[in-house]
Amino acid sequence: TQLLEQSPQFLSIQEGENLTVYCNSSSVFSSLQWYRQEPGEGPVLLVTVVTGGEVKKLKRLTFQFGDARKDSSLHITAAQPGDTGLYLCAGAQYSGAGSYQLTFGKGTKLSVIP
Amino acid sequence: NAGVTQTPKFQVLKTGQSMTLQCAQDMNHEYMSWYRQDPGMGLRLIHYSVGAGITDQGEVPNGYNVSRSTTEDFPLRLLSAAPSQTSVYFCASSYHSFNSPLHFGNGTRLTVT
Repeated sequence: TQLLEQSPQFLSIQEGENLTVYCNSSSVFSSLQWYRQEPGEGPVLLVTVVTGGEVKKLKRLTFQFGDARKDSSLHITAAQPGDTGLYLCAGAQYSGAGSYQLTFGKGTKLSVIP
Repeated sequence: NAGVTQTPKFQVLKTGQSMTLQCAQDMNHEYMSWYRQDPGMGLRLIHYSVGAGITDQGEVPNGYNVSRSTTEDFPLRLLSAAPSQTSVYFCASSYHSFNSPLHFGNGTRLTVT
């Protein structure tokens, strides 16, 4: 059973359109992170949300953490070809002895067509 | 600032061969980890370390060994490679807290024939 469900798995849209990516779980997380990965490179952090209900904006990207800290969404306004990539959400949970583990969703592969 | 450096970038092995994937970070991070990324499976944790001399298993540890003799280095060893270990491997490091971001290397693409 996947701890973090991301949807959609694939998304192909025209430049200028809006889109939303979802990250859902039945578990509570201490924090939730969003990463973007480009071909041949490692994932790079976009944002970390910590507080239930928190909203963070990064230019045209808006991130929201659910009130119960079980889910999150990423909304992109007026998508650009440079937004193309694999978007990954990752939830942090306490695993004992002062240790936290990050569990990743399977990712959303976004293609923005000029 | 180099960040997280992984070598090699590409590797082809035959079944049964052994090899070590190298990972080094220059950010003085306590936490280091190895993930494998397979199509449709996302990133899965292999092993991790919360400091020098301390390692633990992740979600998919079988067939892999790790050690952490220094803060900077965290090598991943494949003792007897199998085709199921064909994957892209990422090393990552962070300050160890619940909201610390992971800094990833650029990956090693391993093919086992």
